[in-house]
Amino acid sequence: AQSVTQLDSHVSVSEGTPVLLRCNYSSSYSPSLFWYVQHPNKGLQLLLKYTSAATLVKGINGFEAEFKKSETSFHLTKPSAHMSDAAEYFCVVRINTGGFKTIFGAGTRLFVKA
Amino acid sequence: GAGVSQSPSNKVTEKGKDVELRCDPISGHTALYWYRQSLGQGLEFLIYFQGNSAPDKSGLPSDRFSAERTGGSVSTLTIQRTQQEDSAVYLCASSLGGTGGYQPQHFGDGTRLSIL
Repeated sequence: AQSVTQLDSHVSVSEGTPVLLRCNYSSSYSPSLFWYVQHPNKGLQLLLKYTSAATLVKGINGFEAEFKKSETSFHLTKPSAHMSDAAEYFCVVRINTGGFKTIFGAGTRLFVKA
Repeated sequence: GAGVSQSPSNKVTEKGKDVELRCDPISGHTALYWYRQSLGQGLEFLIYFQGNSAPDKSGLPSDRFSAERTGGSVSTLTIQRTQQEDSAVYLCASSLGGTGGYQPQHFGDGTRLSIL
């Protein structure tokens, strides 16, 4: 079965400290992987995507993620959190099972303390 | 450029009424998706349109829900005889489709639906 697991429902960091949001996936197919961010009362905004090119992917706002096939992980990181990073983050897998299917993680809410 | 546009942004209606939610995708995007996001929950897939192909309706929760996409562009999600459990944010997304199946989806800001 295909699935996406975001290991933390909530993460709290202090401003200026590193951010780590964890995502593991399970898929029999070669996936494309995405991270989206959702601010309150807004839709989802694409942060970055992995589509079988470089395993370390750089996104917007200083975020990056590394695809590790052996660990089936795609964790999102940022060296230094900013207050404006406080939001909900979704890890998303897209696979081709004869037709494309999108699987969303349950989300991780990031809190940033001053 | 213009992103995905959804209207209305908020809708409050009485239980039992019908509602229509509109999505205007990014020009040139052949794929269009509807999702439902309930309070504190992730995204629930509802329906997917790809070009002129038959839509994937596998996520529609009941026969009260339907959607159409006219002219391969604007889409309308209709909920008949609304129930309180239909209260949620309804998100629309579009993407390049076909051989671009791994293209990212671009989301609108959603319609917040409240059923009294």
